[in-house]
Amino acid sequence: SQTIHQWPATLVQPVGSPLSLECTVEGTSNPNLYWYRQAAGRGLQLLFYSVGIGQISSEVPQNLSASRPQDRQFILSSKKLLLSDSGFYLCAWSPDGTPLMTQYFGPGTRLLVL
Amino acid sequence: KQEVTQIPAALSVPEGENLVLNCSFTDSAIYNLQWFRQDPGKGLTSLLLIQSSQREQTSGRLNASLDKSSGRSTLYIAASQPGDSATYLCAPLGSARQLTFGSGTQLTVLP
Repeated sequence: SQTIHQWPATLVQPVGSPLSLECTVEGTSNPNLYWYRQAAGRGLQLLFYSVGIGQISSEVPQNLSASRPQDRQFILSSKKLLLSDSGFYLCAWSPDGTPLMTQYFGPGTRLLVL
Repeated sequence: KQEVTQIPAALSVPEGENLVLNCSFTDSAIYNLQWFRQDPGKGLTSLLLIQSSQREQTSGRLNASLDKSSGRSTLYIAASQPGDSATYLCAPLGSARQLTFGSGTQLTVLP
């Protein structure tokens, strides 16, 4: 069966510090991968999605970036965090290269920028 | 740009009641629509997916309907239980192949 992992689960970082969040999927090949952010009191916002290694599409201009160094690994990064980067970050995957199937979400990383 | 509205924002009901959660979306050109459940501080769990050609889907005590032309979906929960307490999110998959989420309905089922 397929599983999706995210770490860390919780992170507290000072403004201006770098960020690296990791997401890995097991039990499938060539998944579509997604990064979402859920800010307090707001809905889920798609940040990045990837249909293959090295292929990243950005939905929202910001100081965040994403990379997909391996088929089942998706990384969210920032060189300098802002207060507004605080939120709940969710990684998701959908199977077999088609985005029409259901998306499966990881447990999330709660980020607090102070 | 797709916009999704969920009504009500919050709902509190006694155990055993049947209830309906509403979702409306502005762009009817969708591939499918999903309903998710989110427990506090947790990720999302997919409950039901309705393809654009379908009118409804059922899973246990849950029934979701879709009226694509009017931009509406409803999630019906029968015989609600305290374990159903969570935030329910709907998300249509649009022409850009992206899910757009509503802000959710926070459901509390009182024992």
